[in-house]
Amino acid sequence: DQQVKQNSPSLSVQEGRISILNCDYTNSMFDYFLWYKKYPAEGPTFLISISSIKDKNEDGRFTVFLNKSAKHLSLHIVPSQPGDSAVYFCAASERGTSYGKLTFGQGTILTVHP
Amino acid sequence: KAGVTQTPRYLIKTRGQQVTLSCSPISGHRSVSWYQQTPGQGLQFLFEYFSETQRNKGNFPGRFSGRQFSNSRSEMNVSTLELGDSALYLCASSLFGPNTEAFFGQGTRLTVV
Repeated sequence: DQQVKQNSPSLSVQEGRISILNCDYTNSMFDYFLWYKKYPAEGPTFLISISSIKDKNEDGRFTVFLNKSAKHLSLHIVPSQPGDSAVYFCAASERGTSYGKLTFGQGTILTVHP
Repeated sequence: KAGVTQTPRYLIKTRGQQVTLSCSPISGHRSVSWYQQTPGQGLQFLFEYFSETQRNKGNFPGRFSGRQFSNSRSEMNVSTLELGDSALYLCASSLFGPNTEAFFGQGTRLTVV
């Protein structure tokens, strides 16, 4: 039972354009969401997060949107740069006693072409 | 500020052996979580420790265990290794655990032959 899904395995974008990465979840107990960027053979790097009490959070070129009714979140990268090429994971944590547990999606490979 | 340090970076073990992996969290972080990453299953939660106590455990067999020391450093152990245990093992530290950002180490690549 995959509680966090990233339905697009890959995304290709031109440099300077917007990249939109999507994530859906099924567990209504999730109340905190995070995006991570990962290069091969390295650990994920934290990008941005959002609490369920918000619907938008911005940090520089990165903006995360949360639609609780649709159980959907998205990461917007504007403008996209070749250095953004990596695997992007969305992750969610659950209120209550699921301490320290992040549930990850399967990842989306983003390629930004110069 | 130093990041999360995992040692060793690479390991090759034989089926049936056991292995111990180490993780030093960011200074001041009290929560340490472990994840297994494989191509087929993605990133899967193993367990989380906070102040030397295991607070949460994922759906892994009892061959996978861990502990946390008083300085927040953590170790995980896998006994009776199987070929399917070959994976990238990642450690993450955070201040308190839930609803705080987790910062990951570079991981330990374990290969079981």
